Amino acid sequence: EAQVTQNPRYLITVTGKKLTVTCSQNMNHEYMSWYRQDPGLGLRQIYYSMNVEVTDKGDVPEGYKVSRKEKRNFPLILESPSPNQTSLYFCASSPLGGGHTEAFFGQGTRLTVV
Amino acid sequence: GEDVEQSLFLSVREGDSSVINCTYTDSSSTYLYWYKQEPGAGLQLLTYIFSNMDMKQDQRLTVLLNKKDKHLSLRIADTQTGDSAIYFCAERGGGSSNTGKLIFGQGTTLQVKP
Repeated sequence: EAQVTQNPRYLITVTGKKLTVTCSQNMNHEYMSWYRQDPGLGLRQIYYSMNVEVTDKGDVPEGYKVSRKEKRNFPLILESPSPNQTSLYFCASSPLGGGHTEAFFGQGTRLTVV
Repeated sequence: GEDVEQSLFLSVREGDSSVINCTYTDSSSTYLYWYKQEPGAGLQLLTYIFSNMDMKQDQRLTVLLNKKDKHLSLRIADTQTGDSAIYFCAERGGGSSNTGKLIFGQGTTLQVKP
């Protein structure tokens, strides 16, 4: 089954304690990205990757890091989480190329930073 | 810059039609999407429309695109309680080149009353 898997689904942590949210896709997609969803703001892109070892900032990258060492995995790293990073996070993947391409989303990770 | 706007809330009675509206700013958008998010779940692609189309129908869903006014709408006929969810309008960023990036509206919460 084609899917994007995020872990964990729920996480409560304290300010400053480094954490990683994992994302894995089984569709051999080139493009992967992370979004955060906040009430009244919709989804905003944090970082994206066009392929292995190719990553770039999205619209709200401050406080986050990513890596793309393998095509299937795209972890999101918060080196020193702060309360304003409390949010719902989604990983997504899609193929690149002309025409319509469907983005597949993970189930989301609800992060609370206290 | 690219921006997508939606109203935040819509309430309808079961059996009525729902119309969710969206405006966007990027006139070079090639694909426009509607995603559905049920409580506690990720985003699911409902339908999409190519920018050279005015209308697309898929069972109970009708998408209307007014490219001149940069206005997109989603009509759900015979709305059911199972349609209660958040609906996101999105445009594919980057114009005709497929960058993979999606730009989302704020999301419209659809409440269906029995």
